[in-house]
Amino acid sequence: IAGITQAPTSQILAAGRRMTLRCTQDMRHNAMYWYRQDLGLGLRLIHYSNTAGTTGKGEVPDGYSVSRANTDDFPLTLASAVPSQTSVYFCASSLLAGGSNEQFFGPGTRLTVL
Amino acid sequence: GQNIDQPTEMTATEGAIVQINCTYQTSGFNGLFWYQQHAGEAPTFLSYNVLDGLEEKGRFSSFLSRSKGYSYLLLKELQMKDSASYLCAGLEDDYKLSFGAGTTVTVRA
Repeated sequence: IAGITQAPTSQILAAGRRMTLRCTQDMRHNAMYWYRQDLGLGLRLIHYSNTAGTTGKGEVPDGYSVSRANTDDFPLTLASAVPSQTSVYFCASSLLAGGSNEQFFGPGTRLTVL
Repeated sequence: GQNIDQPTEMTATEGAIVQINCTYQTSGFNGLFWYQQHAGEAPTFLSYNVLDGLEEKGRFSSFLSRSKGYSYLLLKELQMKDSASYLCAGLEDDYKLSFGAGTTVTVRA
């Protein structure tokens, strides 16, 4: 693995189903983030984690949950998917939270909820 | 929270200069980022400004005025590969990046 990866690349999901989007980084970054990107709205922060074992809510957390059991992995779970959660989801990481620490983005997961 | 405004679209000719403006209203402002995003790809980092002034990095420069809540990204000697969306993002406190909707730049031959 080099950098940050996400799986799956794309998914079509029936409403009401549970779904976990996976994110893994091998850069030993402390901070990780989940964003969704919708046309005309830009990237919006869903949840974040400043270090392993801690998580926090971003701008649009409702309907999503995260966990950070170790440094490398930061899965995003939709407990019961709804059509409004159709979006492109990006995971990102940075060495530390804040300051000049640039965020590195994964390739994204395109999710369609029908 | 933050309110980030930037133009939706800009068009320029190969070899020209384009300036993308960004205004922000924020509490706990801790710096401003610019990212580039090609269609269907992930955003990639271009620049970070926390102090007033101009930061130059090759063909790209970024400017910040904290007192005016204003930044711009300057792209010089435009190339076809510069056709992309450019995202302005304000850092609030230590962790929260708030992104604008992005400016789609189209470079024409």
